Amino acid sequence: DSGVTQTPKHLITATGQRVTLRCSPRSGDLSVYWYQQSLDQGLQFLIHYYNGEERAKGNILERFSAQQFPDLHSELNLSSLELGDSALYFCASSVGNREHEQYFGPGTRLTVT
Amino acid sequence: GENVEQHPSTLSVQEGDSAVIKCTYSDSASNYFPWYKQELGKGPQLIIDIRSNVGEKKDQRIAVTLNKTAKHFSLHITETQPEDSAVYFCAATGNQFYFGTGTSLTVIP
Repeated sequence: DSGVTQTPKHLITATGQRVTLRCSPRSGDLSVYWYQQSLDQGLQFLIHYYNGEERAKGNILERFSAQQFPDLHSELNLSSLELGDSALYFCASSVGNREHEQYFGPGTRLTVT
Repeated sequence: GENVEQHPSTLSVQEGDSAVIKCTYSDSASNYFPWYKQELGKGPQLIIDIRSNVGEKKDQRIAVTLNKTAKHFSLHITETQPEDSAVYFCAATGNQFYFGTGTSLTVIP
């Protein structure tokens, strides 16, 4: 158990809908990262927040957005969902900006039908 | 930006043999090189990392080597066991964080 929690574990929704994925980092970690992992693909970095502020952006679509709240939990919002958005979404956290030492949550499996 | 290439994409070894996974990177500013193991249905887990000023690091059956001049680093697993079967990702971090494309390792009992 990494100490990072993600909810929900599974999510099934229809095209065009909007969903919110939630992540709680390890106690004391200030950084939160979001990744997308599609079938047979690697980990695609989406976005990094540090202590409430956006620190880096990866291949995140304009339909996707994220934020980190004062209590350090983070939410990833996915809107106008398409079939291709079906994937595993992982959240990770790290102490400060120790990017090389990330602790991953169990993931949220999103299925868009 | 950084480009991290990882080979092979799949690897099968007999139990007890060694496994080697190789990665190359392009950004000279990269200074940490972690390796992650992802078991089926789980998130990736950090198993070992190496700093750019170190050539080799060992932790029991796992070792990582780094050739900073050639910009490549490798993961070595000795005396492989069935529980080593997983997908392994290398990564490089400096100004930004980049994952390799992953290697699916199967250890055959």
